[in-house]
Amino acid sequence: DAGVIQSPRHEVTEMGQEVTLRCKPISGHDYLFWYRQTMMRGLELLIYFNNNVPIDDSGMPEDRFSAKMPNASFSTLKIQPSEPRDSAVYFCASSPGGVEQFFGPGTRLTVL
Amino acid sequence: AQSVTQLDSQVPVFEEAPVELRCNYSSSVSVYLFWYVQYPNQGLQLLLKYLSGSTLVKGINGFEAEFNKSQTSFHLRKPSVHISDTAEYFCAVTNTGGFKTIFGAGTRLFVKA
Repeated sequence: DAGVIQSPRHEVTEMGQEVTLRCKPISGHDYLFWYRQTMMRGLELLIYFNNNVPIDDSGMPEDRFSAKMPNASFSTLKIQPSEPRDSAVYFCASSPGGVEQFFGPGTRLTVL
Repeated sequence: AQSVTQLDSQVPVFEEAPVELRCNYSSSVSVYLFWYVQYPNQGLQLLLKYLSGSTLVKGINGFEAEFNKSQTSFHLRKPSVHISDTAEYFCAVTNTGGFKTIFGAGTRLFVKA
């Protein structure tokens, strides 16, 4: 299996622009997690899905952030409008059953 | 609510020496415990996990950890480290009733020749 796939790997954008991060989980995994990693705040859970349904989005920082999972093989995390403080590495992870998580390589987002 | 404290932000150690990375957690309910490793510019990779049963858990790359319920600790150990073990290590806890995982701040292990 190819593992969790994230795209793009790097994204540089200007403040105010819309950013869309993409994730393809491992086939057969029924849980999907989105995390944000920064030096100041460490690794934070933003939202997670079970069978494509959002279960807990309490970590989503603001209304500017939204996440969708239209099917079992694709999820997006959107930031609109983006701000410099959104600069971070965003990880997607998938899990068979929700316990052990398999992480993607991450998307490094820089908002200028 | 749960929390995870990794007691050391950085641990320098010489190659072939033993190492212990410390982790304490707090939770009012039963938990699952994990150690993940992150190499530069990569995602996290599971090293080992404690779900139930034996309190001594063995993982990949020669690492092991011991769950101590009375001390609410889950320290990671390796008897002899290699240069390639240089990475950041994260302790994590998940409520057994749900799947919201809380990660510690990380410990950067630096193995010197």
